[in-house]
Amino acid sequence: EVQLLESGGGLVQPGGSLRLSCAASGFTFSTYAMSWVRQAPGKGLEWVSGISASGVSTYYADSVKGRFTISRDNSKDTLYLQMNSLRAEDTAAYYCAKQMAAITYPFDCWGQGTPVTVSS
Amino acid sequence: QSVLTQPPSVSAAPGQKVTISCSGSSSNIGNNYVSWYQQLPGTVPKLLIYENNERPSGIPDRFSGSKSGTSATLGITGLQTGDEADYYCGTWDSSLSAVVFGGGTKLTVL
Repeated sequence: EVQLLESGGGLVQPGGSLRLSCAASGFTFSTYAMSWVRQAPGKGLEWVSGISASGVSTYYADSVKGRFTISRDNSKDTLYLQMNSLRAEDTAAYYCAKQMAAITYPFDCWGQGTPVTVSS
Repeated sequence: QSVLTQPPSVSAAPGQKVTISCSGSSSNIGNNYVSWYQQLPGTVPKLLIYENNERPSGIPDRFSGSKSGTSATLGITGLQTGDEADYYCGTWDSSLSAVVFGGGTKLTVL
């Protein structure tokens, strides 16, 4: 069974940093592109960042470019999102999502999400 | 504002059919496959349709997808109260090099 388990969310002050992790199991992690998708309270889905299967190529939404960094460790089957210079508008549930193949493919598995609250 | 445009809400009676539209441009829907996601209240999104009209295993054939030009449509027949959810369209945007979603459509089964 494919499983994605996020961790690392929490309460942080504006300007602060957090590192999210997503532990994957049940599939060959190194074969699939992965992404982070967030959902602010009561709002819709917003794609945040994606990374190719090898980790060589990374992609970012304009709203987080220059502040967030996505990475992966295929030896540990783990996806990461380093979030710096956090703002109130980054408050959301952050989902780790597996893509069906490459970065242009849809998401066929989602984690349960980890909440991030940016507030003083 | 979302890159893809969906109606905020749709409604229909149990047993009826409903369609949800998703409008984009040549850089996204016009040249890439469209997928649809269902998010039931309090749950994570679930893939409903991929490659415009393909259903993952376990998704009933009451759900269908289509695409024409720069627009896509999700159709749901034989509506059930359990279909009440938020529905999102998504695709790759070749100009942005980013995944884009619609703003979501809330389906109410009256």
